[in-house]
Amino acid sequence: QSALTQPASVSGSPGQSITISCTGTSSDVGGYSYVSWYQQHPVKAPKLMIYDVSNRPSGVSNRFSGSKSANTASLTISGLQAEDEADYYCSSYTTGSTVFGGGTKLTVL
Amino acid sequence: EVQLVESGGGLVQPGRSLRLSCAASGFTFDDYAMHWVRQAPGKGLEWVSAISWNTGSIGYADSVKGRFTISRDNARNSLYLQMNSLRAEDSALYYCAKERLRFGEPHTAGFDYWGQGTLVTVSS
Repeated sequence: QSALTQPASVSGSPGQSITISCTGTSSDVGGYSYVSWYQQHPVKAPKLMIYDVSNRPSGVSNRFSGSKSANTASLTISGLQAEDEADYYCSSYTTGSTVFGGGTKLTVL
Repeated sequence: EVQLVESGGGLVQPGRSLRLSCAASGFTFDDYAMHWVRQAPGKGLEWVSAISWNTGSIGYADSVKGRFTISRDNARNSLYLQMNSLRAEDSALYYCAKERLRFGEPHTAGFDYWGQGTLVTVSS
């Protein structure tokens, strides 16, 4: 149950696009289409942003999109806004459990 | 409105036990898998345990296997986590989270609702 690998931090200016990667193995990210992404603002509970690799729950902005290639999933945020500044976590199904990434801090410059 | 409200956290000595509860409302609790996820101060999320809607599937992270027990009482719309032999490294904010899909297999649909968490501190 090793954690998925995410960059510790990314940054971008308002209006720009950024991508956060999430690298696992063929036993998790690469083996299933059960990758989710969560946004967490300080002292708040996580919020589901993407499920099943690329699907957005109702109410989530279409500026958020997800994709996957082999063992790496990605979250792209377009048209960055100040409110997007938060921590982002990926997660994946792996046999009988869920594994999270270490988290990425997004700074909007 | 879906609500998940955790309780039962607190300061406990190493080796002792604690029981966390999660009161659910606003959805048909019986129909959804539920999870416990924890977050140590300043750290990332760590999945702890899951129970399917019908209790037929239960799982634990290696770090808590043999020490923690998850259960649910569908009549009371409640989820529980019995934590025994607590260690300093178990100190964290413990979240209760709901699986997104009705009658879905645990871990396959994302966690669409989370509580605000209950803080567990293990220290002498």
